[in-house]
Amino acid sequence: DAGVTQSPTHLIKTRGQQVTLRCSPISGHKSVSWYQQVLGQGPQFIFQYYEKEERGRGNFPDRFSARQFPNYSSELNVNALLLGDSALYLCASSFGGTQETQYFGPGTRLLVL
Amino acid sequence: QKEVEQDPGPLSVPEGAIVSLNCTYSNSAFQYFMWYRQYSRKGPELLMYTYSSGNKEDGRFTAQVDKSSKYISLFIRDSQPSDSATYLCAFTGFQKLVFGTGTRLLVSP
Repeated sequence: DAGVTQSPTHLIKTRGQQVTLRCSPISGHKSVSWYQQVLGQGPQFIFQYYEKEERGRGNFPDRFSARQFPNYSSELNVNALLLGDSALYLCASSFGGTQETQYFGPGTRLLVL
Repeated sequence: QKEVEQDPGPLSVPEGAIVSLNCTYSNSAFQYFMWYRQYSRKGPELLMYTYSSGNKEDGRFTAQVDKSSKYISLFIRDSQPSDSATYLCAFTGFQKLVFGTGTRLLVSP
């Protein structure tokens, strides 16, 4: 079975631009969470979606938004990019809405110049 | 006080050594305790999770939780060069995972 997949793998943007990152969960998983990992730090929680509804939101500005589609895939959007948004963006999926057994994708590495 | 404290390392050991990785936490609401392994430029991989105090073994890995001291550990026996990675502790009691900063482990042949 395929694991969590994310696209694109790498992305370079300039300040002020907008970016959309995509995630497909493991087949049968209904929850998707997004995390930001800055170099040298642990992942920081951004959003969780379960059954297409937002279940939780981390301490990130409104420039960050997400949605989950009927097939449980998800998109993360970031507007008005800042240099500090450069990071590895990770998507994780789980079957239910809880967090103890999440499986991560390989991430999308975003560089903002 | 940070919710989770984890020594960033790096921790360098020879092949075959026993490795001890540790985290402390301050949030009493945390109910699940996890260890993830992250290779360079990859996503974190779930190694072990537990919800009770005590030990849990899986092959060469043992996770230990002491809720009274708010302290968790991961022990790796007979460490291998392929164990070289960053090890992240993680906790949850709500909808989100809270991660430590990660400890970088280097196992030399």
